[in-house]
Order: sequence, then structure tokens, then C-alpha cells
Amino acid sequence: KNEVEQSPQNLTAQEGEFITINCSYSVGISALHWLQQHPGGGIVSLFMLSSGKKKHGRLIATINIQEKHSSLHITASHPRDSAVYICAVRETSGSRLTFGEGTQLTVNP
Amino acid sequence: GAGVSQSPSNKVTEKGKDVELRCDPISGHTALYWYRQSLGQGLEFLIYFQGNSAPDKSGLPSDRFSAERTGGSVSTLTIQRTQQEDSAVYLCASSLLGVRHFGPGTRLLVL
Repeated sequence: KNEVEQSPQNLTAQEGEFITINCSYSVGISALHWLQQHPGGGIVSLFMLSSGKKKHGRLIATINIQEKHSSLHITASHPRDSAVYICAVRETSGSRLTFGEGTQLTVNP
Repeated sequence: GAGVSQSPSNKVTEKGKDVELRCDPISGHTALYWYRQSLGQGLEFLIYFQGNSAPDKSGLPSDRFSAERTGGSVSTLTIQRTQQEDSAVYLCASSLLGVRHFGPGTRLLVL
């Protein structure tokens, strides 16, 4: 069993739809990251959170430490949101990140 | 300002050769990380540098892999006697307060 599991693995949506990507983890963490990897391979850090909720534009990330679960939401999705979204956790024992397998999101116009 | 840069952007080598990959982190970032992403796979941690502390090498897959960070800035990842399974995108990231800033990666192909 992976320490970080994401669902779904693949997600196809129509432009404008509300999207949710889930991340569950099994280890103690000090922070959780959501990353976005574009088709060209570049990676952008979207959020780093350790509790509660963060919002940036149309993106919202939440985390429930007790349930060891985080969600990334995209409101009013757009084709340019098409990318791989990766959840990564920083374990309390160190600074290394453990990555989920990623969620491939495709938003069709 | 300038982000994390990596060179070369692409590297093709023959099996058995040594390769060096370079990472220039964001100025002032004390932490530097190397990751690997194999085709169709997720990101894999390799090594982590923090200031003058001993690096966390726990992710290096074999003793053919080594990395150094000179003067707390530029880092070089060296792969000796490359194997075909080393083919991957090697990503470097730096951080100051936890948020990782990723470089564009070096795409390595071992023939």
C-alpha cells in the first residue's frame, strides 16, 4: 500500500464543472503539498498546508489531519487546468516529500 | 526573479558512461532537493541538502548515484556507469520556508 494515495487517477470534465481530487496518506505529516505538472513537465507548487483550508483564485485546498485526508478543488474548471495534480506529504520525521501517483485531469471545452 | 535552473535540459548517453546534472537553486534558498520521475511513474525523492547539515541521501537508488552541493548553492547530481533504468526526468527543487520551487528538469536518456 502506498503511503500517499490519490483518487481518481484520471478525471475528465467539461469546462465549468467543479472538480475534486482526493489525497489520503498513512503517515504522520508536518505539511502537505499540492503540485501541478503541465504536459511539458514543468512543476508548479500550488499549496502547502498543514491545517484547515487555503484558497488561491479558483483553487481550494483542504486538509483534515485527524482523517489524514486532503482535497484539491477547482471551481469553474477551464481547459488550461488540464494537467497532472500531485499530492505530496512531508513526514514529521524529516523534510523529504513522499508523492502520490498523481491525478491526470483533462478539461474539455 | 530567477527561478531554479537546471542543465542540461536534455542528455542522451550510452550505457556505462557517467553523467553530471547541474542545479542552480534560487538565491538564498537553504534547502535543495533532487527528485526523479521515470516514464509513467510518480516523483521519487533522491537526496536533500539543508544548509551545512549532512545531506539526507536515503532516496538514492544505488551507490552509482551521488550528489554534492558546493558553497551552499549549486548542486551536481552524478550518475556513474549509467544503466537504461536510469532514464528519467531529474528534477531539482529549492525552498526557504517549505514551499518547493521546482526547476524545469533534465531529461536523461540512457541508450
